[in-house]
Amino acid sequence: GNSVTQMEGPVTLSEEAFLTINCTYTATGYPSLFWYVQYPGEGLQLLLKATKADDKGSNKGFEATYRKETTSFHLEKGSVQVSDSAVYFCALSMDSNYQLIWGAGTKLIIKP
Amino acid sequence: IAGITQAPTSQILAAGRRMTLRCTQDMRHNAMYWYRQDLGLGLRLIHYSNTAGTTGKGEVPDGYSVSRANTDDFPLTLASAVPSQTSVYFCASSDIYRGPYTGELFFGEGSRLTVL
Repeated sequence: GNSVTQMEGPVTLSEEAFLTINCTYTATGYPSLFWYVQYPGEGLQLLLKATKADDKGSNKGFEATYRKETTSFHLEKGSVQVSDSAVYFCALSMDSNYQLIWGAGTKLIIKP
Repeated sequence: IAGITQAPTSQILAAGRRMTLRCTQDMRHNAMYWYRQDLGLGLRLIHYSNTAGTTGKGEVPDGYSVSRANTDDFPLTLASAVPSQTSVYFCASSDIYRGPYTGELFFGEGSRLTVL
């Protein structure tokens, strides 16, 4: 079946460090891929998405590229801030059922 | 701008009691979802509704029921709570019929439930 695997956290970085959070997927067909972010005490919100191979999603300095050949959608940011501390979820959807399949989430801690 | 409102924010409940978590949205989205979030397990779908009057089972539906009498409301009921239902519950909505499916879900702020 379809699934999403994320790197386990927590990931702890210093401010201005480079961030990569790995995400790989298994899917039959051609899914859309998403990154959601959950700030402390809040619900999740969409960070970025990509709907086809080689698409790059970007938002708030974060980027992720849909790599079909490696079935990956790694999240990157060049210089993280304390305010980026949150839990990040990778997810996929197949348009046929309007539901998302979620990774387990990766907690990111940024130290000043 | 309210978006999705969940109630209660937090609740402690004795095992065996009945509990309803409320969810209301003001975006006129056709689809609504209930998830539970447990440490290390991410989000798991409990029940969903693609349109008013219809519901479906998600990944972990046992012990939970839902109804969708209208577009705005999607309550989740635990008929007889058990400690394994201690979790944070999130309601979400999305617009799945107007235009291409975007995959964007809008979430409430969650309801933290503790069953003793």
